[in-house]
Amino acid sequence: DIQMTQSPSSLSASVGDRVTITCRASQTISSSLNWYQQKPGKAPKLLIYAASSLQSGVPLRFSGSGSGTDFTLTISSLQPEDFATYYCQHSYSIPWTFGQGTKVEVK
Amino acid sequence: EVQLVESGGGLVQPGGSLRLSCAASGFTFSNYWMSWVRQAPGKGLEWVANIKQDESVKYYVDSVKGRFTISRDNAKNSLYLQMNSLSAEDTAVYYCAKLGLTGSWYFDYWGQGTLVTVSS
Repeated sequence: DIQMTQSPSSLSASVGDRVTITCRASQTISSSLNWYQQKPGKAPKLLIYAASSLQSGVPLRFSGSGSGTDFTLTISSLQPEDFATYYCQHSYSIPWTFGQGTKVEVK
Repeated sequence: EVQLVESGGGLVQPGGSLRLSCAASGFTFSNYWMSWVRQAPGKGLEWVANIKQDESVKYYVDSVKGRFTISRDNAKNSLYLQMNSLSAEDTAVYYCAKLGLTGSWYFDYWGQGTLVTVSS
């Protein structure tokens, strides 16, 4: 199975900060990498698919990059509604697996 | 508007069975692969199973193979998950998710989830 490792596991940031979350796959996954945002008690929401494609309706401050084994989710200017947990997920081969999550908290 | 509404969760004893349902609306259900994803309390997300539009292909995570069965009824716009031989490790919120239809695989819409608790 392909293991997905996110870093950091949590971070503290302020509104307006630039935030970067990293996801590393245990083997190459091409660009088969997706990012989700989850708020407490809610279902996950798709932000980025295929490593860098922005899902319809998602604000432009979210962007994704990377290919192979190393990927990044960037929030260019953190907004109050962005405090949440973020997960990466690969869809390169079965079984699909998620990273352990990165919690973005208020500084 | 795409809507996915899960039902059927609840408290079940170890070794018991439960059938989850997911009612889909707002899109042509029969055109899309569908999935189940679960999340244990306070933990991360775990993909459980996928099913092709015509049920001809099904995939499962190893931990549920032989115990869980994913199915669908396109006439009823419904997805199901039959869960047998349940254990405490299956306690989780179970989400129904729609898969995107581009060249990539991703969960583009999710239901609100239904909680399954396995306990005596």
